[in-house]
Amino acid sequence: SQKIEQNSEALNIQEGKTATLTCNYTNYSPAYLQWYRQDPGRGPVFLLLIRENEKEKRKERLKVTFDTTLKQSLFHITASQPADSATYLCALDASGGSYIPTFGRGTSLIVHP
Amino acid sequence: GAGVSQTPSNKVTEKGKYVELRCDPISGHTALYWYRQSLGQGPEFLIYFQGTGAADDSGLPNDRFFAVRPEGSVSTLKIQRTERGDSAVYLCASRQTGPTDTQYFGPGTRLTVL
Repeated sequence: SQKIEQNSEALNIQEGKTATLTCNYTNYSPAYLQWYRQDPGRGPVFLLLIRENEKEKRKERLKVTFDTTLKQSLFHITASQPADSATYLCALDASGGSYIPTFGRGTSLIVHP
Repeated sequence: GAGVSQTPSNKVTEKGKYVELRCDPISGHTALYWYRQSLGQGPEFLIYFQGTGAADDSGLPNDRFFAVRPEGSVSTLKIQRTERGDSAVYLCASRQTGPTDTQYFGPGTRLTVL
């Protein structure tokens, strides 16, 4: 069956360190993968999209990698700040550039001052 | 400009009642999505509109759920004979056209069925 796995346990890190979140998937052939941030009581906010032919994408303190062989994406936040504390969701299309992204359950990140 | 708005922000209803949830997408966005999110889970796809037509309604859980977008902008999600299991946050999102255009989410409607 198709699965998107994100660590259900919260990730606790110290301010200034790099946070690394993982998204693994099985039985998908996505054309793209997205990362979103969600704060309590709010809708998700788009952060980055990476396509299947891209290995890495960066935006300010954010970096995403996409390994279609390992079927894994890593999301990094460098020089983390308490304001980065939120739930981070990965989403991918079912196959071939589908218009319907499928979301993982998200991982909570807590950055301690 | 204005983002995606959803009304009401909270809706409490009794089992068996009918509810309507409204979504105002970003102006000019042709694609509109409805999702449902339960506590501790990611958004679960319900239905996708391209313009006025439902391009994919495969996520609607049963025939009690229905959505319309008659003029290609505002959309209404309708739930008949609500059940306690329908309690969740209902999220709407819009994007311009293509599958890799940024998807913008509204704040959601929290539905509680007593």
